[in-house]
Amino acid sequence: DGGITQSPKYLFRKEGQNVTLSCEQNLNHDAMYWYRQDPGQGLRLIYYSQIVNDFQKGDIAEGYSVSREKKESFPLTVTSAQKNPTAFYLCASSIETTNEKLFFGSGTQLSVL
Amino acid sequence: AQSVTQPDIHITVSEGASLELRCNYSYGATPYLFWYVQSPGQGLQLLLKYFSGDTLVQGIKGFEAEFKRSQSSFNLRKPSVHWSDAAEYFCAVGGATNKLIFGTGTLLAVQP
Repeated sequence: DGGITQSPKYLFRKEGQNVTLSCEQNLNHDAMYWYRQDPGQGLRLIYYSQIVNDFQKGDIAEGYSVSREKKESFPLTVTSAQKNPTAFYLCASSIETTNEKLFFGSGTQLSVL
Repeated sequence: AQSVTQPDIHITVSEGASLELRCNYSYGATPYLFWYVQSPGQGLQLLLKYFSGDTLVQGIKGFEAEFKRSQSSFNLRKPSVHWSDAAEYFCAVGGATNKLIFGTGTLLAVQP
């Protein structure tokens, strides 16, 4: 079945540590996105990528980094510079960078120890 | 400024009752409008979308929404709610290729 796989489901970060969230899709979609979800705040865009080896900052990119070396993969690194990383992180993809339809993964809950 | 407002944070309805979730938007160009649903601990699933044409759009799971340009609204409706509809609902607005702006969500509880 085609879809988006996020791993791990739960992740814990220690002070000063970088952690990487995985996002893989087998939908052959060009565009991929990372969103952060906090209770009562909806979804906020962190980074997005329209094509391999290219990505753009979203609204809240500070403290995060991404790479897009393969079409199927768009990992997100939460760096130690992100002082409030506890949130639910959602990866999404779409056929192109049109808003026709976003397909979402099931998310990663990141918490700070 | 571009924004989406979902004025109801939490709504409780009885099973079998009708439902209307409100969404108001502010967008400078012709808006593309969406409703997504999220079950606890899961990703979002598209319920329906409006790009152009008929202002009443039908979606999955028996949901519909009506675009009212004069009121800048895109309210979601369902005639008879089922217990499985309990979830969080997000309205979103964007352009053809511009990034989506999501509302803060409405949490729906369904009473037996």
